[in-house]
Amino acid sequence: AQSVAQPEDQVNVAEGNPLTVKCTYSVSGNPYLFWYVQYPNRGLQFLLKYITGDNLVKGSYGFEAEFNKSQTSFHLKKPSALVSDSALYFCACDSWGKLQFGAGTQVVVTP
Amino acid sequence: NAGVTQTPKFRVLKTGQSMTLLCAQDMNHEYMYWYRQDPGMGLRLIHYSVGEGTTAKGEVPDGYNVSRLKKQNFLLGLESAAPSQTSVYFCASRDLTYTEAFFGQGTRLTVV
Repeated sequence: AQSVAQPEDQVNVAEGNPLTVKCTYSVSGNPYLFWYVQYPNRGLQFLLKYITGDNLVKGSYGFEAEFNKSQTSFHLKKPSALVSDSALYFCACDSWGKLQFGAGTQVVVTP
Repeated sequence: NAGVTQTPKFRVLKTGQSMTLLCAQDMNHEYMYWYRQDPGMGLRLIHYSVGEGTTAKGEVPDGYNVSRLKKQNFLLGLESAAPSQTSVYFCASRDLTYTEAFFGQGTRLTVV
């Protein structure tokens, strides 16, 4: 069965430090993988996606993600976090049109 | 261009009442989705549609029904609301399986 796991409920990081949000997936076949961000009382906004090709994908607001097929992971990264990056982050996986999300990771960036 | 619009934005229901949530998209997207968001549970897929006239079950379909009679609309129905259905509901749409999904602003539903 298709599933997405985000093992950390919350990630705390100081401003200027690198940020990593973890995601692992389980799906048959080749996955389409996505990261979204949600700010308070808002809908989700798209950050980036992996479809095929280069394992390192770059997205909006300086975020990037690394696809690792052998570890079935798709971790989100940002070299230098900002206070404004504090939000709820969701990893998602598509298989034949069925788009499923993980439980989300709350990112808290402190000044 | 409105994108994805959900109606209503807020609703309070009594246990046992029924209601329909409407999702409308003006981007001619093929795929549409209904999710519920609960604290600590993330976004859980209720039902989805891969095209006009089609629907499929997601992770948590029990207690909900859907219809996609028109390509631009995706309706989510609660026939007999229960307190466990208190949640924030999000609708999303997208063009193809490898494209980004666009989300509505959510419907906050409380069942008392």
